[in-house]
Parts: sequence; structure tokens; C-alpha cells
Amino acid sequence: DVKVTQSSRYLVKRTGEKVFLECVQDMDHENMFWYRQDPGLGLRLIYFSYDVKMKEKGDIPEGYSVSREKKERFSLILESASTNQTSMYLCASSANRVAKNIQYFGAGTRLSVL
Amino acid sequence: DAKTTQPTSMDCAEGRAANLPCNHSTISGNEYVYWYRQIHSQGPQYIIHGLKNNETNEMASLIITEDRKSSTLILPHATLRDTAVYYCIVRENNQGGKLIFGQGTELSVKP
Repeated sequence: DVKVTQSSRYLVKRTGEKVFLECVQDMDHENMFWYRQDPGLGLRLIYFSYDVKMKEKGDIPEGYSVSREKKERFSLILESASTNQTSMYLCASSANRVAKNIQYFGAGTRLSVL
Repeated sequence: DAKTTQPTSMDCAEGRAANLPCNHSTISGNEYVYWYRQIHSQGPQYIIHGLKNNETNEMASLIITEDRKSSTLILPHATLRDTAVYYCIVRENNQGGKLIFGQGTELSVKP
């Protein structure tokens, strides 16, 4: 069974803190993604990775960085958390299959920055 | 990726079929139609996808019109657990690539 696991369901952090959001997938997928979801704005892509140690900026990378040291793990880092980064964060992964390009999502991490 | 239009909300009686429409009039020849859903406070879940033929799996059926400008997702016997926001996404099947979620249709299945 497909599994994408995000380390926390809920997090509360203070402004200026460095925040790590972890995502692990057990499907040997090449591609991994970080989105954030806000009311009225839908899902927006922050960063993605097509391979180990590889990363690409998405639509809203400012204030974030990522790390992919191992194929199964993709970490999102908020270098200095701000209140406008309060959001639901969703990790996803997919395999490189042309005819069936399905993204599998984790349950999400709801982050509150105070 | 082509733009999609879906109704904002729909109701369905439990046990009845739920038919969720999607318009994608600017779809190109190599773009697929994907459906995902998101149950409250969970991550999105893949349902089904197709190119031009109708598709069926254990969750739903997908009917794509002959001109491919619209499609319908059918949940044959809706249950309360099918209450969710349903997203229709049109995209090429290139390797990787982001998903562009619109506003979706909020389906409420009522007893």
C-alpha cells in the first residue's frame, strides 16, 4: 500500500524559529513535492525534487529551502518562520511513469506560527 | 495545462449516484483528465484519470465526451464518507510536474 508520511500533523512555532517539516515515502518514487494550501488560494507548489540531492523551485519558494539527501526523504525548511507561513503543508511523491503520473499525498502538517 | 471549470458545490443523497461535471474546453491532444478528492483535514487522494476512453476503477467511473471538452466523474453509490472536495485537473503526462488544483466541487452526501 502506498504511503507518504509527514512527521507531524500539527505544529506550533514562534516567529523567527527554524522549522523542519519531514516527509518520507516508501514507494521508491523519484519525484517528491512540497505544497502549501490556504483558503481561497488552493494548493501552491513550493519546491520539488526529481532525484536525490536535486531540487527545483516551485511557484512560491521564498522563505523556504529543501533537502533531499536520500531518495525516500524530502525535508522542507523554514529558515526563519513568519506568521504568513501559517498554513497547511502537504508533501507528495510520484514515480516517473509517462502513462500514469499519479501524485500520492501525505496527511498534511498544519503549521501555526505565532 | 488547460483550465478547468467545476460547480462550486453539489449535494447527493446517500446510496445514489453522484455525477460531478468538469469543463475543459481548451484541452490539448496530449493532456489527460485527472480527478482527485480531498476529505476535510486530509491530503488529496487520487481517484481516476483518462485520455479519451471512459475509465472505471474500484472508486469511480470517468466519462469523457467525444470532443474531450468535458468529463463527468461518477461515484455509483455515494456514501457519507464520499463527502469531500473533488478536483478535476487537466495535464500532460510528462515525468514529474506539479498539479494545479482549482477550487473544485464540494460534494455533500446527505443521509
